[in-house]
Amino acid sequence: DQQVKQNSPSLSVQEGRISILNCDYTNSMFDYFLWYKKYPAEGPTFLISISSIKDKNEDGRFTVFLNKSAKHLSLHIVPSQPGDSAVYFCAASARMRQTGANNLFFGTGTRLTVIP
Amino acid sequence: ETGVTQSPTHLIKTRGQQVTLRCSSQSGHNTVSWYQQALGQGPQFIFQYYREEENGRGNFPPRFSGLQFPNYSSELNVNALELDDSALYLCASSFGQGTNEKLFFGSGTQLSVL
Repeated sequence: DQQVKQNSPSLSVQEGRISILNCDYTNSMFDYFLWYKKYPAEGPTFLISISSIKDKNEDGRFTVFLNKSAKHLSLHIVPSQPGDSAVYFCAASARMRQTGANNLFFGTGTRLTVIP
Repeated sequence: ETGVTQSPTHLIKTRGQQVTLRCSSQSGHNTVSWYQQALGQGPQFIFQYYREEENGRGNFPPRFSGLQFPNYSSELNVNALELDDSALYLCASSFGQGTNEKLFFGSGTQLSVL
């Protein structure tokens, strides 16, 4: 039961253009959303996050948009650079009822290739 | 400030064996989570430790167990290894358990079960 979905396994974008990565979720209890970036042979690295009470968060070239009614979020990278080439994971956070532990649910990732 | 470190980086075991993976938390972090990432999938939550106690578990059987030590480092133990246990095992640390806590991941241990 995949609660966080990234339906595009790959995306290629020309350097300088905008990259848009999409993510859908099913669980309305998620209250915090994160994007992680992963290079080969490394662990995921935190990129940007957004609380469910907001609809936009911006950090430099990276902007995350959240549409709660559609249960959809997206990551915009402008302008895209070759160093942005990596696998991007969308994740949603929920607190486990019985224990209070923080559990991240990840999508399957989108491989972004930025062409010089 | 040191990051999250995991050992070993690679490991090969045979079916039925037992394995122990290790993780050192980022300095100042008191919460450790373990994730399993199968090929082509996103990481899946195994369990979380806070102040040396397991305080949350995902959909993994009891043969997956762990420990957290007073210095907040952690171990993941897997008994009776199965072929499907072949995956990248990621450790992540954070300060506290809030749902807005960012997790900081190590580079993982690639486990192959033959």
